[in-house]
Amino acid sequence: AQSVTQLDSQVPVFEEAPVELRCNYSSSVSVYLFWYVQYPNQGLQLLLKYLSGSTLVKGINGFEAEFNKSQTSFHLRKPSVHISDTAEYFCAVSDRGTYKYIFGTGTRLKVLA
Amino acid sequence: DARVTQTPRDKVTEMGQEVTMRCQPILGHNTVFWYRQTMMQGLELLAYFRNRAPLDDSGMPKDRFSAEMPDATLATLKIQPSEPRDSAVYFCASARGEETQYFGPGTRLLVL
Repeated sequence: AQSVTQLDSQVPVFEEAPVELRCNYSSSVSVYLFWYVQYPNQGLQLLLKYLSGSTLVKGINGFEAEFNKSQTSFHLRKPSVHISDTAEYFCAVSDRGTYKYIFGTGTRLKVLA
Repeated sequence: DARVTQTPRDKVTEMGQEVTMRCQPILGHNTVFWYRQTMMQGLELLAYFRNRAPLDDSGMPKDRFSAEMPDATLATLKIQPSEPRDSAVYFCASARGEETQYFGPGTRLLVL
């Protein structure tokens, strides 16, 4: 069965520094990959997605992620973070042909002034 | 700007009471999901529907939870009777087929 690992539960980073949030999944037969962001007391908002094509995916708010099939990873990056990026970030994987997402446990990004 | 809507946004009730949460999916989306989010368990998939038919409700406690889609514009999640351990944020999401899920703002439930 598919599983998703977000190894870092919390990531503190200074404003304007780069950040990488890690996501690994277990089975790479054929997958869709997603990153969502959740601000306090809000729902999940789609940041970016990989369905097919280029392995480098650009999303909203300056985030990007790279699909690495051999390493079964889909790490999220941003070259320079802002205070407003403080939120929880969820990675999700869906096996093609199914409708279900498997979510990671989330990474809390805290941007420090 | 199409969005998933959920009502109520907040609900406080007493143990044993019935709770009904409602979701209006994005028009044209034929797949609807119910999730529960807690600090301890994170995001759990409770049930999902495609074209109004339940596809999987294995994540849902069957004895007290029920989910339905009376029509294409309404999904409901009912808890009867409610218990304090049901306190959580309940999210609805909708999608067109198997692709991107769009989430509603959630219903924050507190059972006393």
